[in-house]
Amino acid sequence: GAVVSQHPSWVICKSGTSVKIECRSLDFQATTMFWYRQFPKQSLMLMATSNEGSKATYEQGVEKDKFLINHASLTLSTLTVTSAHPEDSSFYICSARRGQDTQYFGPGTRLTVL
Amino acid sequence: RKEVEQDPGPFNVPEGATVAFNCTYSNSASQSFFWYRQDCRKEPKLLMSVYSSGNEDGRFTAQLNRASQYISLLIRDSKLSDSATYLCVVNAGGGGAQKLVFGQGTRLTINP
Repeated sequence: GAVVSQHPSWVICKSGTSVKIECRSLDFQATTMFWYRQFPKQSLMLMATSNEGSKATYEQGVEKDKFLINHASLTLSTLTVTSAHPEDSSFYICSARRGQDTQYFGPGTRLTVL
Repeated sequence: RKEVEQDPGPFNVPEGATVAFNCTYSNSASQSFFWYRQDCRKEPKLLMSVYSSGNEDGRFTAQLNRASQYISLLIRDSKLSDSATYLCVVNAGGGGAQKLVFGQGTRLTINP
């Protein structure tokens, strides 16, 4: 066990639209969920950390009004990229943590903004 | 200076060779360390944790030198399936929190 899913796995959208990405822990309750972004040939960068029922904690340089995170339950977190632009095109990966356990990563969502 | 630095490679080695990767980290308060592997266009997967005394998992050996803030990974008898990007990861969180900081990754290709 410890499976994390993401939906969609890839999305192409027009500039100015908003895109919602879902992250689910399928067989465990996640006390904490994390959102990362990875640009080509670069490392994963933590965007924000969220705990169920509370506001997300964003890393320095990540605009909280642009990247809306909702962690409504212990098995679901969503990331909404609002008014997406081509520079937001990236690989977005979530992870979920069960208690003090390690993080389990989702398969990622590849976003392309035209 | 990056928090976690790795040689990006690429490393191209023949099947059966031994290959070693190095990594340095800047936060001396870091408590836990990991090696992940990431295949092209996929999520990272935990390869192994790194313990102070060094640890081995089959063909993989990880070492940690806290004084030098240096982590290494050794792969023996490399297989074609070992081709991937290897990510050095440091937990910069404290008090039970987990904030993973990823290195850029070292790309490895095993040639037949």
